[in-house]
Amino acid sequence: EIVLTQSPGTLSLSPGERATLSCRASQSVSSSYLAWYQQKPGQAPRLLIYGASSRASGIPDRFSGSGSGTDFTLTISRLEPEDFAVYYCQQYGTSPNTFGQGAKLEIK
Amino acid sequence: EVHLVESGGGLVKPGGSLRLSCAASGFTFTSYSMNWVRQAPGKGLEWVSSISGSGTYIYYADSVKGRFTISRDNAKNSLDLQMNSLRAEDTAVYYCARAPVAGMSNFDYWGQGTLVTVSS
Repeated sequence: EIVLTQSPGTLSLSPGERATLSCRASQSVSSSYLAWYQQKPGQAPRLLIYGASSRASGIPDRFSGSGSGTDFTLTISRLEPEDFAVYYCQQYGTSPNTFGQGAKLEIK
Repeated sequence: EVHLVESGGGLVKPGGSLRLSCAASGFTFTSYSMNWVRQAPGKGLEWVSSISGSGTYIYYADSVKGRFTISRDNAKNSLDLQMNSLRAEDTAVYYCARAPVAGMSNFDYWGQGTLVTVSS
């Protein structure tokens, strides 16, 4: 199965700053079938990005995704207080679909 | 508005069984594959099982194959997960999640989850 490794494990930033989260796959992700989710404590994950770079419905344009092959990035252009959460990447190009271990974005 | 509501979680002894359900509303249920995804306490996400809109195609993670059975009742807009031979490592919050496309997919809507605890 494809292993996804997210980095950094924890990112400490202030509101208004730019956040860059990385997701690296152990092998190429087919057709850029890579998604990003946001999860806040006690809540279900929320889909942010699919197809590596397409924003899901209702997601603000400060969230953007990029990448292909084995290297993918989630960028949050200007952090809002509500953006501090845990972020997961998921590949769904090769069975079984797999998730990264998560990356925590915390307030500095 | 899409709503997914899980139920059926609880405390069960190792080797025991539990049946989870997910009630869906706000969309044409038969048009979507549905999935179960779990999250152990303080851990990441793990896909468990999926079932196509018609119920024809069913897939399981290796970790639950032979012990869990996914099913759906399209007349009742409901999704089930029968869990047998439960182990401590099955302890997790179980989410039902909708897949917007058939086959391999991301998950665009999630329920709030139901907690399953396997402990003696």
